[in-house]
Amino acid sequence: EVQLVESGGGLVQPGGSLRLSCAASGFTFSDHYMDWVRQAPGKGLEWVGRTRNKANSYTTEYAASVKGRFTISRDDSKNSLYLQMDSLKTEDTAVYYCARDYSSETLAPGYWGQGTLVTVSS
Amino acid sequence: QSVLTQPPSASGTPGQRVTISCSGSSSNIGSHYVYWYQQLPGTAPKLLIYRDNQRPSGVPDRFSGSKSGTSASLAISGLRSEDEADYYCAAWDDSLRGRVFGGGTKLTVL
Repeated sequence: EVQLVESGGGLVQPGGSLRLSCAASGFTFSDHYMDWVRQAPGKGLEWVGRTRNKANSYTTEYAASVKGRFTISRDDSKNSLYLQMDSLKTEDTAVYYCARDYSSETLAPGYWGQGTLVTVSS
Repeated sequence: QSVLTQPPSASGTPGQRVTISCSGSSSNIGSHYVYWYQQLPGTAPKLLIYRDNQRPSGVPDRFSGSKSGTSASLAISGLRSEDEADYYCAAWDDSLRGRVFGGGTKLTVL
């Protein structure tokens, strides 16, 4: 069974940094694309970025709203995905979800974690 | 404003058929698959439809997806109270080089 468990959320001041983690189990982690998606309180879903799998050299892509401030990385030996968030702004306040592609042929998010809340406030 | 446009709300009575639209452009829906997600209150999103009209195992056949040109639709037939949720469409966008979501549609079962 695919399981994704996010951690690392919390309260941080504007301009600060935070690192989120996503622990994966139930599948061969290195085979899959992984995404981060966020949801501000009472708002819709917003794609943050993704990392491709080992076969595609772990390349990353980011939404314009976070490019240059957020960095996605992964450690296949630990079955873990990370989101390093720097220069945080109040508008980054959201629940952050990690998600795995549905399949190797269908690269959109198909499995989601429960999310972790990040609050950026002074 | 979201790149993909959805109506903010929809409603229906039990047993009815409801449709939720998703409008995009040639850089997203017009050239890539559409995905639909269901988000029940207080929970993570769940994949409902992939590749325009395919259902993951476990998703009832009451849910169906279609696409024409730069628009897509999610249809729910035999509406049930447990279908009350937020529904989001999504697609890859070549211009933005990223995934885009619709603003979401809140479905109310009257």
